[in-house]
Amino acid sequence: SQQGEEDPQALSIQEGENATMNCSYKTSINNLQWYRQNSGRGLVHLILIRSNEREKHSGRLRVTLDTSKKSSSLLITASRAADTASYFCATDQTQGAQKLVFGQGTRLTINP
Amino acid sequence: DTGVSQDPRHKITKRGQNVTFRCDPISEHNRLYWYRQTLGQGPEFLTYFQNEAQLEKSRLLSDRFSAERPKGSFSTLEIQRTEQGDSAMYLCASSLASSGYIQPQHFGDGTRLSIL
Repeated sequence: SQQGEEDPQALSIQEGENATMNCSYKTSINNLQWYRQNSGRGLVHLILIRSNEREKHSGRLRVTLDTSKKSSSLLITASRAADTASYFCATDQTQGAQKLVFGQGTRLTINP
Repeated sequence: DTGVSQDPRHKITKRGQNVTFRCDPISEHNRLYWYRQTLGQGPEFLTYFQNEAQLEKSRLLSDRFSAERPKGSFSTLEIQRTEQGDSAMYLCASSLASSGYIQPQHFGDGTRLSIL
């Protein structure tokens, strides 16, 4: 079963606006990773945030992590049409196997 | 870095047939993962290898599924006696191993399996 739940399941915004996606999880983690997936393609790693970090930036991406609430958010600023994709959070759990557990994803559509 | 490649990209077969997929990871990566993804869902872990050793298998991986990584390089995933419920995208990913946490994974573009 998947650990993460993402919110919203789908998001549609105008080009240039900011997009925020949220991820909640259930167990203790070593880190949390965000991936992007274009239709019919594999996933592409975007950013990794460790459990002892609260915020991380990479270009137009900003990720926050609140381990007390077991939640993370991904903010994409100044969105572009090319940002249209599905976005997944994935957790590296402290207990159990060395595997990532993915959420169900947020489908982001950027309207030109 | 030529990326992770998977073959074939698409496979259509009749129920009851056997299918085999291949994954070629990034050459210096010692970890290789297989996932299954159905429409509108995130990838679900199936199994992973560190070098040639298969270290973990999901309960999703019934006895009809078998995976190998004979020389610690490419890997194959075989599904025997396919069923309608096996229709999905099968994704392969590779990464470096590191103690304490999972490194970012590099994914192939997957093999889409359709069972008629």
